[in-house]
Amino acid sequence: QVQLVQSGAEVKKPGASVKLSCMASGYTFTNYYIHWVRQAPGQGFEWMGAINPYGGSTSHPQKFQGRVSLTRDTSTSTVYMELSSLSSEDTAVYFCARGSLAIAVAGSVSWFDPWGQGTLVTVSS
Amino acid sequence: EIVLTQSPGTLSLSLGEGATLSCRASQSVSSDYLAWYQQKPGQAPRLLVYGASSRAAGVPGRFSGSGSGTDFTLTISRLEPEDFAVYYCQQYASSPYSFGQGTKLGIK
Repeated sequence: QVQLVQSGAEVKKPGASVKLSCMASGYTFTNYYIHWVRQAPGQGFEWMGAINPYGGSTSHPQKFQGRVSLTRDTSTSTVYMELSSLSSEDTAVYFCARGSLAIAVAGSVSWFDPWGQGTLVTVSS
Repeated sequence: EIVLTQSPGTLSLSLGEGATLSCRASQSVSSDYLAWYQQKPGQAPRLLVYGASSRAAGVPGRFSGSGSGTDFTLTISRLEPEDFAVYYCQQYASSPYSFGQGTKLGIK
């Protein structure tokens, strides 16, 4: 079955960077966008960006330009999200999620399904 | 950027009752590209509805989505114990893809 498995929890100091992974299985990795979404404690969801695993092109909201880097390794069907210059406001659970429609059908326009299990990132001095 | 506003913020209902959750967009969501998700504590979101009214695979028939343009609704008929959770709407029509702040459905 289609599955996204994320890396484990991280604790970082302010100013540091964190790199999270999301390993996909059960489908052709390069055919579907992978999105990253975060959820601060007790809060809603914030979309952080997406990557096209086929060519590696990415898109981000303005808020994260220059601070988020999305990469992929097609040999292991893994997407990486690196977030730099961490502050306490970056403490959150980070989810990866697959665009449910194939890129060839809908481009990046798709609802998100399935989601990874989430990775808690804690930023504290 | 499309801002989604969900109401009510909290809803307390009894088992067997029906629930109506609202999601209003700051501008029209083209092609009704709106999804609904359910989230339980410590879990990832679960897709319920996409395209405003299409139920996802495996979702019980008591869940239904409706609406278009700027006003969307998720209706749950005959609440079951497992339905008490937080519900979020999301628009995927235009980047940045945005979510509502959620409606918490609790047991009365």
